[in-house]
Amino acid sequence: DVKVTQSSRYLVKRTGEKVFLECVQDMDHENMFWYRQDPGLGLRLIYFSYDVKMKEKGDIPEGYSVSREKKERFSLILESASTNQTSMYLCASSSDRAYEQYFGPGTRLTVT
Amino acid sequence: AQSVTQLDSQVPVFEEAPVELRCNYSSSVSVYLFWYVQYPNQGLQLLLKYLSGSTLVESINGFEAEFNKSQTSFHLRKPSVHISDTAEYFCAVTGSGGYQKVTFGTGTKLQVIP
Repeated sequence: DVKVTQSSRYLVKRTGEKVFLECVQDMDHENMFWYRQDPGLGLRLIYFSYDVKMKEKGDIPEGYSVSREKKERFSLILESASTNQTSMYLCASSSDRAYEQYFGPGTRLTVT
Repeated sequence: AQSVTQLDSQVPVFEEAPVELRCNYSSSVSVYLFWYVQYPNQGLQLLLKYLSGSTLVESINGFEAEFNKSQTSFHLRKPSVHISDTAEYFCAVTGSGGYQKVTFGTGTKLQVIP
């Protein structure tokens, strides 16, 4: 079974803090994704990567950055957390160029 | 550009009754279509997908969806729902020609009433 793990299920941070969300997949997938999920808005793509050290902006990249130093790991960074970044963050991976995605359990981030 | 519309944000249905969750898409290219399910406090799981071939696709737990190109729809159906089907369902689309990002709908919460 494909497994995508995320470093935390719940996280509480203060405004202005630098926040790291980690994602690891164990199926040697080329592609990895970060989404945020908000009620009524569905999933919105923040960043994705289809190779090590490669990254592409998604639909809502502002206020975020990413890092992919190894194929299995994709990190989402909030440089200076703000309250409007309170959300559920979902990581996903895929092979075959983003056809079928496998999701982690999510990190619920609260910024106070 | 592509988009997905799930008009129903919530669908209540009695146990053992049939259900249809609607999904319409728009795209300027040929598409691949997906339904994902999210159970409470979990990530999304693939329920079924249409890539090519038969326009009717089925999941292992009794759901089916039909790709209708003329109506640009990919509605999800089940003839008899169970309590365990209570979850949020997301329709998603991606272009079939080379790498393109996946666009998700806003989700439909299926509430099965005992």
